[in-house]
Amino acid sequence: DAGVTQSPTHLIKTRGQHVTLRCSPISGHKSVSWYQQVLGQGPQFIFQYYEKEERGRGNFPDRFSARQFPNYSSELNVNALLLGDSALYLCASSRGTRDQPQHFGDGTRLSIL
Amino acid sequence: RKEVEQDPGPFNVPEGATVAFNCTYSNSASQSFFWYRQDCRKEPKLLMSVYSSGNEDGRFTAQLNRASQYISLLIRDSKLSDSATYLCVVNENSGYALNFGKGTSLLVTP
Repeated sequence: DAGVTQSPTHLIKTRGQHVTLRCSPISGHKSVSWYQQVLGQGPQFIFQYYEKEERGRGNFPDRFSARQFPNYSSELNVNALLLGDSALYLCASSRGTRDQPQHFGDGTRLSIL
Repeated sequence: RKEVEQDPGPFNVPEGATVAFNCTYSNSASQSFFWYRQDCRKEPKLLMSVYSSGNEDGRFTAQLNRASQYISLLIRDSKLSDSATYLCVVNENSGYALNFGKGTSLLVTP
């Protein structure tokens, strides 16, 4: 079975642009979460979606938004990119209950010039 | 104060050594606990869940002390392939987000 898949793998943008990152969860998983990881830090929670509804939001500005589609795939959008948005963006999927571990995709490495 | 705190290391140990990592968490309402492993420039991968009774998976043993809000990971007979960053992860009862520590770096040397 395929794991969590993310696209693109790498992306280079300039300040002020916007970006859309995509994620497909493991088959049967209804929950998708997004995390940002900067060098030397653990991943930081951005959003979680379950059954197309936002179930949680981390401490990120409104420039960050996301949505989940009927097939449980998800998009993360970031507007007005800043240099500080350069990071590895990780998508994780799970069955949706708190005791179930989340499984991560390879991530999208975003560089802002 | 960070919600999940770990000693960042690095821990440099010879092959065959036993090494222990510790982690503390601040929210006493936390419900689920995990250790993830992350190789350089790769995604985190689940190593094991951590249960109150303690649990073992081969050379790896995880312990949870709810009273002290303390989690540990013990690796016995270290292998070169164990070299990675080990992330302590806590899932709070109030939400579904995973809270990650900064990670502890392990380097196993020949």
